[in-house]
Formats: sequence, structure tokens, C-alpha cells
Amino acid sequence: GENVEQHPSTLSVQEGDSAVIKCTYSDSASNYFPWYKQELGKRPQLIIDIRSNVGEKKDQRIAVTLNKTAKHFSLHITETQPEDSAVYFCAASMYSGNTGKLIFGQGTTLQVKP
Amino acid sequence: KAGVTQTPRYLIKTRGQQVTLSCSPISGHRSVSWYQQTPGQGLQFLFEYFSETQRNKGNFPGRFSGRQFSNSRSEMNVSTLELGDSALYLCASSLATGNSYEQYFGPGTRLTVT
Repeated sequence: GENVEQHPSTLSVQEGDSAVIKCTYSDSASNYFPWYKQELGKRPQLIIDIRSNVGEKKDQRIAVTLNKTAKHFSLHITETQPEDSAVYFCAASMYSGNTGKLIFGQGTTLQVKP
Repeated sequence: KAGVTQTPRYLIKTRGQQVTLSCSPISGHRSVSWYQQTPGQGLQFLFEYFSETQRNKGNFPGRFSGRQFSNSRSEMNVSTLELGDSALYLCASSLATGNSYEQYFGPGTRLTVT
């Protein structure tokens, strides 16, 4: 069945260091991969996404990479700041047609120590 | 544009009762998806409505149902509430057309079943 595995479940880094969160998906038909950031008591916020026709996408300090063959995708945050502390979720879906169904990973709690 | 809104924000119900939650999508968005968020199970997809039709359904019992109105507003209903239904219920809206399939979440309805 459809499944997304996310690692690690918790991640603690020093301010200024990089953080990497990895996800693996099971459904080879998946071709849309968003990442959400959820701060305590807040709604999940879309921070970046990637589609299967692209291998990498960057937005300032955030980047996402996709390896379709291995069914892996990763979130990279550089120069981390305390305000990056939150729970991060990866998700997988089919782009177009069936896009309303996101399958989420279990989440990674990122702590950035000042 | 105003974001996704959900009402009510908090609900306390007793086992056996039923509950209706409401979601108003971003203006112009035609797709509304519902998710259940719990500490143990993470974010799980319930169902998606697009143009008043259920397009996708997750693995939840028939006690969970929904509908969408012609103005794209959506409601979900849970009948015969169980203690395990206590969760944060999130809806997300999407344009779901052209090149825009990103999902944007509402603040959620926190349901507590006693």
C-alpha cells in the first residue's frame, strides 16, 4: 500500500549547522512531493515542493532533492536558525488527477540550539 | 486572499454523539481534503472533495463522512463518536488545476471525545 517513511524522528543541531531529513515512498506512481513545517499549535505550512520531472529545487536556505529510481527525497536546510525549530513533514502524492490525497511521513522534530 | 478557515476551533463531545466540522477553502479553490492528526498516527488522509464529488477516500470507517457545497465549502461528519476520534482535524484546499496543486491547510478543529 501507500506509505512514506521519514527519518530521523528527532534532529538537534547547532545554530548555523545544516539539517537533512530523508523520506522514502512506496508508490512508484507518486510524482509530487511537498514538505510542510508545523510549529507548535499552528497549522502545517507548505515550505517547498518538488515534482518528479525535477531532481532538485532550492529556495534560499531550503532545498529538496529527489531520486525517483530509489524512491527517496530529502529536505536540506542550511545555516539553521532557532526559528527553524518545528516539526517537518514530508508527503507524497500523484500530481494531477489524484492530487488531493497526500500520504505523510511521521514527522521530524527539528531543534536548533542557539 | 483570505486563508483556509475552519469552524469551530475546539469541540468537546461525549462518546456516542455525532459532530459536524466545517471548512471554507481559499477563494477560487475547488478541492478540499480532510486529514486527521494525532500524536500516535501522525497526519492521515480522510477524504477529498472536488466540485461537490468525493474524489479520494482514506482508510477510515464509514462513521466518517463528508460533503462539499457548490461554493466549495466542505463539511465532515463523524457519527457515534469514540474516544479514539479525539484528534486535530485539518482541512486543506487546493486550486487543483493547471499547474497549481499545492495544498494549504486551515488552523484545524481540535475535537476531544470524553
